[in-house]
Amino acid sequence: EAGVAQSPRYKIIEKRQSVAFWCNPISGHATLYWYQQILGQGPKLLIQFQNNGVVDDSQLPKDRFSAERLKGVDSTLKIQPAKLEDSAVYLCASSFVQSNSPLHFGNGTRLTVT
Amino acid sequence: TQLLEQSPQFLSIQEGENLTVYCNSSSVFSSLQWYRQEPGEGPVLLVTVVTGGEVKKLKRLTFQFGDARKDSSLHITAAQPGDTGLYLCAADQTGANNLFFGTGTRLTVIP
Repeated sequence: EAGVAQSPRYKIIEKRQSVAFWCNPISGHATLYWYQQILGQGPKLLIQFQNNGVVDDSQLPKDRFSAERLKGVDSTLKIQPAKLEDSAVYLCASSFVQSNSPLHFGNGTRLTVT
Repeated sequence: TQLLEQSPQFLSIQEGENLTVYCNSSSVFSSLQWYRQEPGEGPVLLVTVVTGGEVKKLKRLTFQFGDARKDSSLHITAAQPGDTGLYLCAADQTGANNLFFGTGTRLTVIP
């Protein structure tokens, strides 16, 4: 089966600029996640969708981050304006709805903010 | 916010040695997952443990879920360079597959 697709693979922007990341989950996975992974740390959940509804966005910095999953399939994550501390790898994952379902991750987008 | 502490944070060993990494919390979880992440890639699931006291084996890897379901360990026998990577434990906060990850253990196995 095709895995989780993410693009772009790398992005370098200056602070205060905007950036968007795209994710296409595994077909049939109703749940989609965006995680932020700062170098040397474990991934931190930013937002979890089930179909096109938000399950958890409690750790999403809503003053600058936004995410959508309009048709319950693809998703985009946007940062506007970016700060230096946003430099990280942004990982998208998908899973079935059931508890204990494994998460399948994409290879991430590495963002560098200068 | 619940916290999953992993130890050690870094581990460098020679090929053929054994090792154990730990994942600890003050909270009780219904289940816990272990992932391995290699550079430039996303984490990949190794195992899910559900029952307190459960032990699961995956070739040279042995996973244990604590009796009280607050902690877990991963033991690797005769480590190989291919075992090098970041080992992450993850737990479900709400029962809705709402996973949060531990701090990670970065393992390097030297040939």
